[in-house]
Amino acid sequence: GAGVSQTPSNKVTEKGKYVELRCDPISGHTALYWYRQSLGQGPEFLIYFQGTGAADDSGLPNDRFFAVRPEGSVSTLKIQRTERGDSAVYLCASSSRPGAGVEDQYFGPGTRLLVL
Amino acid sequence: GESVGLHLPTLSVQEGDNSIINCAYSNSASDYFIWYKQESGKGPQFIIDIRSNMDKRQGQRVTVLLNKTVKHLSLQIAATQPGDSAVYFCAENIGGNTPLVFGKGTRLSVIA
Repeated sequence: GAGVSQTPSNKVTEKGKYVELRCDPISGHTALYWYRQSLGQGPEFLIYFQGTGAADDSGLPNDRFFAVRPEGSVSTLKIQRTERGDSAVYLCASSSRPGAGVEDQYFGPGTRLLVL
Repeated sequence: GESVGLHLPTLSVQEGDNSIINCAYSNSASDYFIWYKQESGKGPQFIIDIRSNMDKRQGQRVTVLLNKTVKHLSLQIAATQPGDSAVYFCAENIGGNTPLVFGKGTRLSVIA
């Protein structure tokens, strides 16, 4: 079956612009996570949704970052007034149900964001 | 394409040899410890996990060892193959559908 998909796969933007990154989780997965991975680093947690609500947004670096999941499936990560330091790979993962094991968290291929 | 780990420590092993990748973790409250494999241009892929009440778990060609006393985790890959070449990350969480905290990665390079 289809895995987690993310679009676009690559995004180049200019400093100060607004970007939206999309994540399509595995069908039926209730939990959705956003991570950010800088070059040479492991992924860092940004925000976690259980259904439509953000269960934990403690990883969002500042108020320029915002994410939504209005219907409990697709999620959009929004970055306002982008800065060069926002350049990274943005990873999305989804999981099937509360209490599911960590082996049930599947990652998408990521969106590579480059802010010039 | 962009590489995940240009500045990561690298472990080079001969094809057919065993590989051991180490990781130090930080949170004594973590209940699950996981190893992920990440190939260039892809997201992390689950390999194996171990719960905090265990010290060893085996999968197919892989073994994870957990030493809670020194907060150390290792991944052993038997008979390493070229397809094992990737960046390996350890991660931890408090269980289930909770966010993962990733450690520093190690690039494994298999020499044919």
